[in-house]
Amino acid sequence: DAGITQSPRHKVTETGTPVTLRCHQTENHRYMYWYRQDPGHGLRLIHYSYGVKDTDKGEVSDGYSVSRSKTEDFLLTLESATSSQTSVYFCAISEPAEKLFFGSGTQLSVL
Amino acid sequence: EDKVVQSPLSLVVHEGDTVTLNCSYEVTNFRSLLWYKQEKKAPTFLFMLTSSGIEKKSGRLSSILDKKELFSILNITATQTGDSAIYLCAVDSGYTGTASKLTFGTGTRLQVTL
Repeated sequence: DAGITQSPRHKVTETGTPVTLRCHQTENHRYMYWYRQDPGHGLRLIHYSYGVKDTDKGEVSDGYSVSRSKTEDFLLTLESATSSQTSVYFCAISEPAEKLFFGSGTQLSVL
Repeated sequence: EDKVVQSPLSLVVHEGDTVTLNCSYEVTNFRSLLWYKQEKKAPTFLFMLTSSGIEKKSGRLSSILDKKELFSILNITATQTGDSAIYLCAVDSGYTGTASKLTFGTGTRLQVTL
């Protein structure tokens, strides 16, 4: 998995609770990304980071926030989880203009 | 809005067959086109294409890009059951010096039977 670790691998939570997913890389890549994957939609970008404390929104950022306090860690927070956020979440890393490497994913269920 | 369309949506073939997967796109800025294979977990990288007409090959897999007609194909020859997966096409419309801005298609699900 190209030195990318996502945690937890699976999570079940209740509507309205905050949830944080973690992505850790050992590759020292500059860019880090959070995607969600849903049937019929493919992979869609939530947020990305281009450096420590530098982040920007993707196409489906509503209801999500991110933080990157160290090069190797990128956190995704669902401030108040909703059932529409049930999905598989993938973290990815890349160098400029290079291919993305993906983590193994987190299956999140919001009941 | 950037758009990537893959066809067919799904495909069932017999081991040994040759398959062609299609990817067409409409994007505001083109930097590269990427193919990934997804089995149960993380998408794994297959090819990155930036120039028209240059075939990329890796074993039984090959891919080519046509930037004039805005499409790419992924060929798999002598298919094996281990080729069963979802194949994802993505276009990077990021600008020079910026993060990748990938738009993904919904994928082609390939099943190879004995």
